[in-house]
Order: sequence, then structure tokens, then C-alpha cells
Amino acid sequence: DVKVTQSSRYLVKRTGEKVFLECVQDMDHENMFWYRQDPGLGLRLIYFSYDVKMKEKGDIPEGYSVSREKKERFSLILESASTNQTSMYLCASSPGYGDEQYFGPGTRLTVT
Amino acid sequence: SQQGEEDPQALSIQEGENATMNCSYKTSINNLQWYRQNSGRGLVHLILIRSNEREKHSGRLRVTLDTSKKSSSLLITASRAADTASYFCATDGAGTASKLTFGTGTRLQVTL
Repeated sequence: DVKVTQSSRYLVKRTGEKVFLECVQDMDHENMFWYRQDPGLGLRLIYFSYDVKMKEKGDIPEGYSVSREKKERFSLILESASTNQTSMYLCASSPGYGDEQYFGPGTRLTVT
Repeated sequence: SQQGEEDPQALSIQEGENATMNCSYKTSINNLQWYRQNSGRGLVHLILIRSNEREKHSGRLRVTLDTSKKSSSLLITASRAADTASYFCATDGAGTASKLTFGTGTRLQVTL
């Protein structure tokens, strides 16, 4: 069974902290994605990666960076967390171009 | 930027009734996908319809696509309480390199 896991379901951080969100997939997928989901705004793409060490900016990359050192792992980094980054963060993977995406359970991040 | 917009934003029906939700989008697409999200969880892929297809079925789900009107509809027949969730359309836009653009979702409530 296809599986995408995220390191935490809930996370509380203070303003200015560096935050790491980890995502692991066990399907040998090429593509991995990070979204944030906010009420009334739907899912917005932060970054995606189509290969190891490759990354592309999504629609809202400001304040975020990513790392993909291994095919199965895609990390989202908030260099200096701010309160407007309080959100639900969703990781996904897909085998190829335009394919269905498999989502992790999400991390609800609160920045105080 | 939001590509897909779902309509209605919220829908409440009784068990056994059919539920129809619509999605409109703005630019040319390769395919359109529908996802379900139970409260506070990750998204689950339901169905993918390609731009050269007009209708697709999967169990109690029926999806139509009208590329001339840039719209799609998702019909859930004989709804159940377990269908209560948010439903999102996502478009794989032509030339967007593996990215999906999600709408803001329709919240479906199925009551007993």
C-alpha cells in the first residue's frame, strides 16, 4: 500500500525558530510536493521536487526552503518562523508528470 | 493562483440522495482530478479524467468534463454519511511541469 508519512501531526513553535517538516514516501516516486492549506484559500503549492537535489518554486515559496537529498525524503524548512506561517502543511508524492498525488496526513503547525 | 473553483462552497444532503459539485477552471489542461479530504486529514485521490475524455465512472462516482466550458462536475450517487468530507478539484495545466492547482473545495455534509 502506498504510504506518505510526515514527521509530526501537530507542532507548536515560537516566532523566529527554525522549523523542519519531514516527509517520507515509500513508493519510489519521482515527484514530491509541499502545500499549505488555509481556510478559504484551499491548497497552495510551496515547493516541489522532480528528482533528488532538484527543486522548483511553487506559488508561495517566500519564507520557505526545501531539501531533497534522498529520493524518498523531502524536507520543508522555515528559516525563521512567523505567525503568518501558522497553517496545515501537506506533503504529497506522485510517480510522474500529471499523475495522481498521494498525500500524507498533514502537520498542523502553530507559530506563537 | 487558484485555477479551479468549486461550486457550491457547501452542500448538505440526506443519506441516499445524490450530491453534485462543480469545478470551473481558467486555462487549458492535460487532466483534471478530484480529491476527498476528511476533516483535518490528508487528501485522497478519487478520480482522474483526461482532457480528451468527457465522462468517467468509478463506483458511485461519476465525473464529467467539458473543456469548451472549462468545467467539470462530480456526482456522488446514493450518498452515505461516510461521504461527509471536503471535495477538491485539481487541474494539471498544460505546460505546468507536474504541478497541480487546487480549488478551494466543496464541503459536503451527509446526514442520516
